[in-house]
Amino acid sequence: DAMVIQNPRYQVTQFGKPVTLSCSQTLNHNVMYWYQQKSSQAPKLLFHYYDKDFNNEADTPDNFQSRRPNTSFCFLDIRSPGLGDAAMYLCATSSDGTLEEGYEQYFGPGTRLTVT
Amino acid sequence: LAKTTQPISMDSYEGQEVNITCSHNNIATNDYITWYQQFPSQGPRFIIQGYKTKVTNEVASLFIPADRKSSTLSLPRVSLSDTAVYYCLVGVLNFNRDDKIIFGKGTRLHILP
Repeated sequence: DAMVIQNPRYQVTQFGKPVTLSCSQTLNHNVMYWYQQKSSQAPKLLFHYYDKDFNNEADTPDNFQSRRPNTSFCFLDIRSPGLGDAAMYLCATSSDGTLEEGYEQYFGPGTRLTVT
Repeated sequence: LAKTTQPISMDSYEGQEVNITCSHNNIATNDYITWYQQFPSQGPRFIIQGYKTKVTNEVASLFIPADRKSSTLSLPRVSLSDTAVYYCLVGVLNFNRDDKIIFGKGTRLHILP
């Protein structure tokens, strides 16, 4: 089945120690998104890639970076994690919306990040 | 992107029909209405999407009145496994526009035995 895969499912890192989360997709979608979701809150969009074009949300901290080496893979890099960055990180994909479609996004299972 | 308002939480019983209404007074002409379901420790899952009138799939129905300022997600004969958070999103995926994708607070649905 076509899907969105996130690894690892659980990640523990130390305060200030860089960490990378990965996402891969078999849907061949050209748009990939990263969301942050804290406990009991709605997902918050950090950034998205439209093909190779990177689009950062205005309020996403500089501490968060992303790479997309090819269509299938996308990485979230947190350069210096703080305690406030502990959250679930969700990767999602979608088609490019050129047909003015609705917000049908396909989400991965998420990576839960703990910062100690 | 049109702002949405949903009830924060709802309780219902197994076997009942559950209707969750979302208000979106500022919906734009081209906007679609999309609903997601999220279980704890999982990513949101697309449930249903519509533009006007009624849409039905194997999981739910979506009712949209003529003025499109609200929509109602209908879950028939719910079970305990339908306990989840339900998010209503309004907008359209068009990267030629500078639209933000914003999940509202969602509705926490709790199904009781």
